[in-house]
Amino acid sequence: GDSVTQMEGPVTLSEEAFLTINCTYTATGYPSLFWYVQYPGEGLQLLLKATKADDKGSNKGFEATYRKETTSFHLEKGSVQVSDSAVYFCALSGADSWGKLQFGAGTQVVVTP
Amino acid sequence: DGGITQSPKYLFRKEGQNVTLSCEQNLNHDAMYWYRQDPGQGLRLIYYSQIVNDFQKGDIAEGYSVSREKKESFPLTVTSAQKNPTAFYLCASRIPGGGTGELFFGEGSRLTVL
Repeated sequence: GDSVTQMEGPVTLSEEAFLTINCTYTATGYPSLFWYVQYPGEGLQLLLKATKADDKGSNKGFEATYRKETTSFHLEKGSVQVSDSAVYFCALSGADSWGKLQFGAGTQVVVTP
Repeated sequence: DGGITQSPKYLFRKEGQNVTLSCEQNLNHDAMYWYRQDPGQGLRLIYYSQIVNDFQKGDIAEGYSVSREKKESFPLTVTSAQKNPTAFYLCASRIPGGGTGELFFGEGSRLTVL
């Protein structure tokens, strides 16, 4: 079945550092890929998405490129802020999944001043 | 503003009691979902519904039940049969026609069994 693997956290960074969170997936066909962010005590918010190979999703300085050849969708940000401290989830929606999302385990990011 | 409202935000339950979590949306979305979140395990699908009066089991449906009598509402009941119900529960919905598959989430309900 479909699955998502993302790097374990916590990832601790200083403000203005470069952030990368690795995400790889297993799926049949051509899934849509997503990054969600969860701030403490809250639900999930969509950060960015990509629906086909080589698409680049971007939002709030974050970027991720859909790489079918490596089945990856790594999240990057060039200069993090303390406000980026959150848990980040990689997810996929398969072609016949009825909208169900398969999530990775989540990566906690802590940005210190 | 349109959105998904979950209530209560926090809930405490004694062992052996059933509890119902509310999920209401005013987004006019057809499909709705319930996920369970445990530390370090991501989100796991409990139940989902594509249309009123229809719903399907997800990956961890045992010990849970749902109903979908109205388009706006998708309540989840955590029954006494659920072995380890303490968790954070998230309700979500999806735009009509599916679009690119993204889900919109509520703020969540945290259930603690005492």
